[in-house]
Amino acid sequence: GNSVTQMEGPVTLSEEAFLTINCTYTATGYPSLFWYVQYPGEGLQLLLKATKADDKGSNKGFEATYRKETTSFHLEKGSVQVSDSAVYFCALNRLIGGSQGNLIFGKGTKLSVKP
Amino acid sequence: GAGVSQSPSNKVTEKGKDVELRCDPISGHTALYWYRQSLGQGLEFLIYFQGNSAPDKSGLPSDRFSAERTGGSVSTLTIQRTQQEDSAVYLCASRAYTDTQYFGPGTRLTVL
Repeated sequence: GNSVTQMEGPVTLSEEAFLTINCTYTATGYPSLFWYVQYPGEGLQLLLKATKADDKGSNKGFEATYRKETTSFHLEKGSVQVSDSAVYFCALNRLIGGSQGNLIFGKGTKLSVKP
Repeated sequence: GAGVSQSPSNKVTEKGKDVELRCDPISGHTALYWYRQSLGQGLEFLIYFQGNSAPDKSGLPSDRFSAERTGGSVSTLTIQRTQQEDSAVYLCASRAYTDTQYFGPGTRLTVL
């Protein structure tokens, strides 16, 4: 079956600290992998994605690399800002006969960045 | 351009009543999804429409839940005889030909 396991929070960091949020997955086939972010009071937004092994997704200083050998897609940022405070969700898309299906999400990691 | 819109943004209902939640996807998007987000269960898939194909209903938690998509555009999620455990934020997403889903702001449902 398909599942996503991500680091449970909450995570509290000081501004300019290094961030890693771990995400591992099990999947049938080779799905695309995603990080979505939910800022306080807002909806889910795509942060970055990777569609095949060894691809690196990046956006807003965040990066994640699709690692097939370790079935991981860890999110990293070198220097977090207060504005990065949000809930982060790792996800994969369930493949149905090779076609795109629904997303399967991890439970989310709440990040708080203190000034 | 316009994103995914959902209405109402908030809905409070009494246990046992029926509710309808509406989703307007991004124009031209062929795929439409419903999810729900609750504290205990996280983000769960409910149902998926792709073009004219039969919907994938594998995520619906009970037969009290149903959804339709008219004319390949607007979708309505109906919950009959609501229960307190149905309280959650119901999210709609749409997708074009890539693998990226775009989410609406959600409808917060509270069942008293």
